[in-house]
Amino acid sequence: QSALTQPASVSGSLGQSITISCTGTSSDVGTYNLVSWYQQHPGKAPKLIIFEGTKRPSGVPNRFSGSKSGNTASLTISGLQAEDEASYHCCSYVGGSTFWVFGGGTTLSVL
Amino acid sequence: QVQLQESGPGLVKPSQTLSLNCSVSGGSISSDTYYWSWIRQPAGKGLEWVGRIYTSGSTNYNPSLKSRVTISVDTSNNRFSLTLSSVTAADTAVYYCATISPRGDGYNNWGQGTLVTVSS
Repeated sequence: QSALTQPASVSGSLGQSITISCTGTSSDVGTYNLVSWYQQHPGKAPKLIIFEGTKRPSGVPNRFSGSKSGNTASLTISGLQAEDEASYHCCSYVGGSTFWVFGGGTTLSVL
Repeated sequence: QVQLQESGPGLVKPSQTLSLNCSVSGGSISSDTYYWSWIRQPAGKGLEWVGRIYTSGSTNYNPSLKSRVTISVDTSNNRFSLTLSSVTAADTAVYYCATISPRGDGYNNWGQGTLVTVSS
């Protein structure tokens, strides 16, 4: 099972919006509504920010939103803040004998 | 929310076996609330799902690692463990323990991670 495809890096200015894509296949992202997104600051553990494609855990700002179209999931961050500078990872349920697959991660730079 | 803490050797020689523990606090390892999971991350790279265990003892592993990996539960010490045999430099990574509910609604609890280096 190949990793999900994410852009290596994205950038945006303070206050702007950015979108990170996560492309899978009809066997994972396209079939299951079990895409999650994680924020990871350097040297820290990942933190869940989106689950089931569009839902936010308690305490995650509504500036973070998730969506899906076909085999591609997306994470949008609006009103960029300096503390949003981090790596972002997507994850999808695959089923079968593989169960879970992650993307390669995207580094967000806030200019 | 449970708290997780990884522990184990930071250096393992090639061809030997990597062994890590994940101590659980704030909840019971016997709870059916979570799948107890291991995820790893090579330096500068993405996350890789290693495998999981449920309270029933049922395990599932990443097919790419299945022949070398074992995850087990130690109920007396409220922890779960990872062993990875015949390691190579490609197994050098930060290893995280994490939890996910049976509904699959995201890995919501993570340990701080532990770096394991495979080198002679």
